[in-house]
Amino acid sequence: EVQLLESGGGLVQPGGSLRLSCATSGFTFSTCAMAWVRQAPGKGLEWVSAISGSGGSTYYPDAVKGRFTISRDSSKNTLFLQMNSLRADDSAVYYCAKAPPALSQGKYYFDFWGQGTQVTVSS
Amino acid sequence: DIVLTQSPGTLSLSPGERATLSCRTSQSFSSSSLAWYQQKPGQAPRLLIYGASSRATDIPDRFSGSGSGTDFTLTISRLEPEDFAVYYCQQYGSSPRTFGQGTKVEIK
Repeated sequence: EVQLLESGGGLVQPGGSLRLSCATSGFTFSTCAMAWVRQAPGKGLEWVSAISGSGGSTYYPDAVKGRFTISRDSSKNTLFLQMNSLRADDSAVYYCAKAPPALSQGKYYFDFWGQGTQVTVSS
Repeated sequence: DIVLTQSPGTLSLSPGERATLSCRTSQSFSSSSLAWYQQKPGQAPRLLIYGASSRATDIPDRFSGSGSGTDFTLTISRLEPEDFAVYYCQQYGSSPRTFGQGTKVEIK
């Protein structure tokens, strides 16, 4: 059974940093691209970052480029998101999402999602 | 960026009725790289359709996807009580990968 368990969310002041983790199990981690997708209260889904199965390729939208860094540790089957220079509009539930194995580079959709971790940026 | 526009914003229907949800993209992208997700309150999204028309594992056959180019459709042939939720489309053929704003299917 595929499991994705996010952690690391919380309350942080504007300009601060936070590191999210997503512990995974139930699938071959290194064969699947992974991503973070966020959802602000009452809003839709917004893709935040993605990383290839090997970790060699990463993808970011302009809204977070230069502030967020996605990474993965295959020895621990864990995905990370380092978030710096946080702003109020980064407040959201952050979901860890798994892509099916062997998708074309960068062309990711998501077949399993975690339950999310809340990030609140406020003074 | 490719913009995905979903319509209608809200669809009010009764159980047993047919639901037709639209996702229109601002430009076409490679192949049929479009997915649909269902999200219920307080839950994570669930993959329904990928490749515009392929059902994900364990998705009932009352859900179907169609379309190509810039116009895509999710059809629920006969609404069950558990189908009332918000539905999102996502394109993954062009960077950045983007989601539509969602269509809420509510009980009439």
